[in-house]
Amino acid sequence: DIQMTQSPPSLSASLGDKVTITCQASQNINKYIAWYQQKPGKAPGLLIHYTSTLVSGIPSRFSGSGSGRDYSFSISNVESEDIASYYCLQYDNSWTFGGGTKLELK
Amino acid sequence: QVQLKESGPGLVQPSETLSLTCTVSGFSLTSYSVSWVRQPSGKGPEWMGRMWYDGDTAYNSALKSRLSISRDTSKNQVFLKMNSLQTDDTGTYYCTRDDYDGYYHYFDYWGQGVMVTVSS
Repeated sequence: DIQMTQSPPSLSASLGDKVTITCQASQNINKYIAWYQQKPGKAPGLLIHYTSTLVSGIPSRFSGSGSGRDYSFSISNVESEDIASYYCLQYDNSWTFGGGTKLELK
Repeated sequence: QVQLKESGPGLVQPSETLSLTCTVSGFSLTSYSVSWVRQPSGKGPEWMGRMWYDGDTAYNSALKSRLSISRDTSKNQVFLKMNSLQTDDTGTYYCTRDDYDGYYHYFDYWGQGVMVTVSS
C-alpha cells in the first residue's frame, strides 16, 4: 500500500502570508494527488486534483505542484476563511490520505 | 445539484454490525461510482470501499473481511455493512461521489457524514 507522509502537522500563519504543505508518497504516484480542505464539523471539500487542477470556483490563491513522489500545496495571501485542516489524497494505486495539516492564525 | 446523505445508527455495540445507507441525488449510480470513507476524530480519512458504476465493488484490504457494500439503483441508495465492530471503528463515516482523471478516481462530492460510536 502507498503511504502518504504529510507535513507539517500544524502551521501557524498571519493573514496575507504564503503557506506551503507537502506530501511525500512512498512510491511514484504519477501526479494523481488531490487536496482537500476540512473545517470543524464539516466534510472535506475538494480543492485540487491531478496535482494542480483547481476545482471550479476555488480561488486562485490555492495552488499545487509536484511530480514523482513529492508534491506541495500552497495558499498565497492567507485569508481568515482558509483556517482549516488540509489533507492530501493519492489515487494512483488504491486511495490513501495524508495525516493532515491544521492551519491556524498566528 | 449533486447531494449525498448518510443515515444510520449513531451508537453500535462492540462486536455488532454497522449498517449505513447513502442516499444520493443529482446523479445516477449507473454513471458514477460511490465510495465510503471514514475518519476517526482528529485523524486523517481512510478509504473503506467503493461501489463502481457498473455494480462491481472494491474494498480496502484492511477491512475486506468485515465489509460489504451493495446498492439499490431504483432507490438511489448505496449500503455499507461492516461486522465485528470494535472501539477503534468509532468515527465519522462519509459517502462520496467519485469523479475521475482518465481511469483514476478521486472523491469530488461528499455527504455531511454520520458519527458512529462503538461502545457498550
